[in-house]
Amino acid sequence: SAVISQKPSRDICQRGTSLTIQCQVDSQVTMMFWYRQQPGQSLTLIATANQGSEATYESGFVIDKFPISRPNLTFSTLTVSNMSPEDSSIYLCSVEEVYEQYFGPGTRLTVT
Amino acid sequence: DAKTTQPPSMDCAEGRAANLPCNHSTISGNEYVYWYRQIHSQGPQYIIHGLKNNETNEMASLIITEDRKSSTLILPHATLRDTAVYYCIVRSDNTDKLIFGTGTRLQVFP
Repeated sequence: SAVISQKPSRDICQRGTSLTIQCQVDSQVTMMFWYRQQPGQSLTLIATANQGSEATYESGFVIDKFPISRPNLTFSTLTVSNMSPEDSSIYLCSVEEVYEQYFGPGTRLTVT
Repeated sequence: DAKTTQPPSMDCAEGRAANLPCNHSTISGNEYVYWYRQIHSQGPQYIIHGLKNNETNEMASLIITEDRKSSTLILPHATLRDTAVYYCIVRSDNTDKLIFGTGTRLQVFP
């Protein structure tokens, strides 16, 4: 099973700033996914990131706000840009292996 | 992907079977039923999935009705560590995306 790490594990940021979250996988994977989980809510898919191509964003999410990089098969970053308090959430990355998705531990972001 | 409906919360005594229902009345022929759970402050964890046959693994059993419009996840001997939010997800075989619903919050009590 894939082992996923995320950095940072948590951060407190001021509004108007940006934060880049890193996701590292211990194996090569084709597709990586980024989710957001707002306080007390379920997970919402932000985008799907394939290596070597532009990320595909879900409805309600745009590249200018959540730019994603996927430089190789084991790594991805998600940037939360121009943050507001409404961006306070847990951000999780995940990867697919066979029929299972494995999730990272999440990055807990608080915007003040 | 088809929408799922789950009860918001359930309780279960430790050592008893936990039966978590899920309604997916609009499921299509190529859509699988997946179950994940999320223990507090952790990322979701895969439990089991199936198409139309009942499935069992070391964690749970999945019972899918013959018309495939509903299913039940069974944890045969619930423990306190099974306290979590359980998500039933219907997923097409031509997509890698998981679309999470609101889930069922299972509380296992001593």
